[in-house]
Amino acid sequence: DADVTQTPRNRITKTGKRIMLECSQTKGHDRMYWYRQDPGLGLRLIYYSFDVKDINKGEISDGYSVSRQAQAKFSLSLESAIPNQTALYFCATSQKGQGAGELFFGEGSRLTVL
Amino acid sequence: DQQVKQNSPSLSVQEGRISILNCDYTNSMFDYFLWYKKYPAEGPTFLISISSIKDKNEDGRFTVFLNKSAKHLSLHIVPSQPGDSAVYFCAASNYGGSQGNLIFGKGTKLSVKP
Repeated sequence: DADVTQTPRNRITKTGKRIMLECSQTKGHDRMYWYRQDPGLGLRLIYYSFDVKDINKGEISDGYSVSRQAQAKFSLSLESAIPNQTALYFCATSQKGQGAGELFFGEGSRLTVL
Repeated sequence: DQQVKQNSPSLSVQEGRISILNCDYTNSMFDYFLWYKKYPAEGPTFLISISSIKDKNEDGRFTVFLNKSAKHLSLHIVPSQPGDSAVYFCAASNYGGSQGNLIFGKGTKLSVKP
């Protein structure tokens, strides 16, 4: 079983719909992240959380919100999806302290907004 | 403006030869650098890292070189194997490796031909 699990793996939705992408981890890490990958643009940080009561905006947080329901769960929401949010979304975790830059990624959630 | 640049979208190398992937950065505050490898339909996986206090770090067939004056790093793979065929992302942090808020390059697709 994967240490970092994302659901759904694929989703097609329409403009204006609310979408939630979920992430759960069994690594016991405190830190969780949501990144977005677009073709030719690498990965960009959307939101991150260092513990259950901590939420921080990343580079491209507009149009997104997150919830850290427990140490092991971190969900990403698109309140009203738009076509330019079509992308591959990755959840990642890391340990505290030195080595926190070594991210453990899920397999990705491909979202298509029509 | 891109802070981490991978100017070669693709690289093709013969099996057994050396693969050299390059990365340039513009932010002089970056003090920790990482390489991730990504296979299709999988999340990125951590490969190797280097702190700005070093100029070389080696792990088996993988060596990362850092030239701070040139703001340049490179990943050497020797010898290259067909299983190394993947997209390689360079990433940087200005938190000394203590946080997973990374800035990624666009990636270089490496093809190792038998």
